[in-house]
Amino acid sequence: NAGVTQTPKFRILKIGQSMTLQCTQDMNHNYMYWYRQDPGMGLKLIYYSVGAGITDKGEVPNGYNVSRSTTEDFPLRLELAAPSQTSVYFCASSYFLGGTEAFFGQGTRLTVV
Amino acid sequence: DQQVKQNSPSLSVQEGRISILNCDYTNSMFDYFLWYKKYPAEGPTFLISISSIKDKNEDGRFTVFLNKSAKHLSLHIVPSQPGDSAVYFCAASVRNTGNQFYFGTGTSLTVIP
Repeated sequence: NAGVTQTPKFRILKIGQSMTLQCTQDMNHNYMYWYRQDPGMGLKLIYYSVGAGITDKGEVPNGYNVSRSTTEDFPLRLELAAPSQTSVYFCASSYFLGGTEAFFGQGTRLTVV
Repeated sequence: DQQVKQNSPSLSVQEGRISILNCDYTNSMFDYFLWYKKYPAEGPTFLISISSIKDKNEDGRFTVFLNKSAKHLSLHIVPSQPGDSAVYFCAASVRNTGNQFYFGTGTSLTVIP
């Protein structure tokens, strides 16, 4: 049972480059999330989705874009990488929105230089 | 504005003793609280939750207490084991409002053998 799978695990980007962080879940969850965790900080919500074709902004959406074309996949796009986007990114999914536990991927450690 | 706060960045406890991790919140609308455990290089994993209609929830060695009037919750681990050494995050949400989980900054627990 794979759960939530994120790729890549590590990435170094140059300022201004673009990349997509991939996230796939096999639990048939409707709700998916992208969080970032900066050192010494809690997880901050970037974007979330309540189902295929529906996405919404979280606390820190600037500099990111998402799409949700299928129930399983929820990629996160960085268009013009900036040093402030250096962080660990976690994708998660849950059966209900905000009302039950979320299942997290292993994280992507991104460094922008 | 940090709506969920964990004021102790770290805690060390002897094996077999009780570990008490604390969490405070500011938003009185929160009605669902969760604790997650995170090992290095892994995503957070769900540990235990509590609804605001309860003041205590127990699962094996883990008990969560909720004091709504003080806007405070705590996680008790008894007895503590070396495998419990991890970072613990508390999280809060408002069920069924289209809202998300708000995370604290985490407490790093070290259980000394």
